[in-house]
Order: sequence, then C-alpha cells, then structure tokens
Amino acid sequence: DAGVIQSPRHEVTEMGQEVTLRCKPISGHDYLFWYRQTMMRGLELLIYFNNNVPIDDSGMPEDRFSAKMPNASFSTLKIQPSEPRDSAVYFCASSRNFGSSYNSPLHFGNGTRLTVT
Amino acid sequence: DAKTTQPPSMDCAEGRAANLPCNHSTISGNEYVYWYRQIHSQGPQYIIHGLKNNETNEMASLIITEDRKSSTLILPHATLRDTAVYYCIVPPGSSNTGKLIFGQGTTLQVKP
Repeated sequence: DAGVIQSPRHEVTEMGQEVTLRCKPISGHDYLFWYRQTMMRGLELLIYFNNNVPIDDSGMPEDRFSAKMPNASFSTLKIQPSEPRDSAVYFCASSRNFGSSYNSPLHFGNGTRLTVT
Repeated sequence: DAKTTQPPSMDCAEGRAANLPCNHSTISGNEYVYWYRQIHSQGPQYIIHGLKNNETNEMASLIITEDRKSSTLILPHATLRDTAVYYCIVPPGSSNTGKLIFGQGTTLQVKP
C-alpha cells in the first residue's frame, strides 16, 4: 500500500497564477478529504468527496478554490487566481466505510507546501 | 459537536511512558474518541480510537473513563521519534458529515 500520494510536495508561485494540487487516494477508499493547515488556523477541512461526488464544500474559503474528483483514483484542488494568503500546507486524506457513528480512520498524504509570493 | 480540551504541551523522558490527557465532557453515547498525531512536516497519522472500552494497539493504549468524559493516550515507552503534536478528536456521531475538527492538540516533546 503506497498510501495517499500528493503532488507536488512544494509549489512556489506568484500572486495571480493558477495553482493545481493533485492527490491519489488509497485504492479502495471511497472518501477523499482536502485539508489546509496554517499556523494561525491550524488544520481546516476544505471539502470532502464520497464516491467521487462532493458532499460538503462549506470549508472552501472562496470561489477562487475549486476541487474535482474525476475518478476514484484522482482528485485536484485548484486555486485561481492565487493570493499570498493562500500560502499553507494542503493535505489530502482518504478513508473507507465512512458514514455511521463509527468513522473509519483517515489516512493523510504528506501534503503540498504552497507559497504564493 | 463534542469539544475536546488538551494541555498545549508536555514533556516526557525517553523510555518513559507518556500519558496524554483529553477532556470531552460533552461526548454523546455513540461518539468515538480518536487520536491522531502529526510529526513535523508530515501529514497527521491515525493512532487509535475507542468508544467505551480501553483499547491497545501496536502504537499506544487508550484509557477511557467510565463516564466517558475524559481519556488518556498512553505511549508506553516514548522515543525521540514520538515527538509530535497529538490530537484528541471526537467526530459527531449523530451525522455522517465526516468532518474531523482538529484543535490545537498537545505538543509532546520527548527528551533524551
């Protein structure tokens, strides 16, 4: 099991540019989550998917942020246009059999560190 | 949602047991207690979870009080590699939103 794979590990871009973060969940997992971590706000859930369908995107900060999951093995988080305040570490996580009082543990990737100058 | 309260930081000597407390006094009967940790520059890592009985796995033990209002994560023989931020989380059991609300956690520093 390769775990959750995120790319790139580091991204440096200029304000106004489009940024695309990528995630490959663990095979067989039917839930996928995008989190963002900053010193000020800690870990925040942005959006999550079940069977490739977005379920809750209430954590997405603005319309500049969008996420897609075209198939069970791939998801993207896009920021367009990017701003310096978007600088953070973005984590992807996946899990399975989620949805009852028992929440299957989340498996996190190692994140993408985004710096917007 | 059940709220959790953890001390911001703790120290532990290498080789000794690390006992990390967590208060969750508003927990509901069907809500689980989860522990994750985050080592610097890595994604959070699941450690253990429990409902009402004590649990043990290869990483740690979880002791939940009988009234379920608090719990303790025990790392029996802490090593330097256990230095991390430890999060105690109680996801809502009445819905399937899937949201893990990460608080500030406890920063555990294991010292030689």
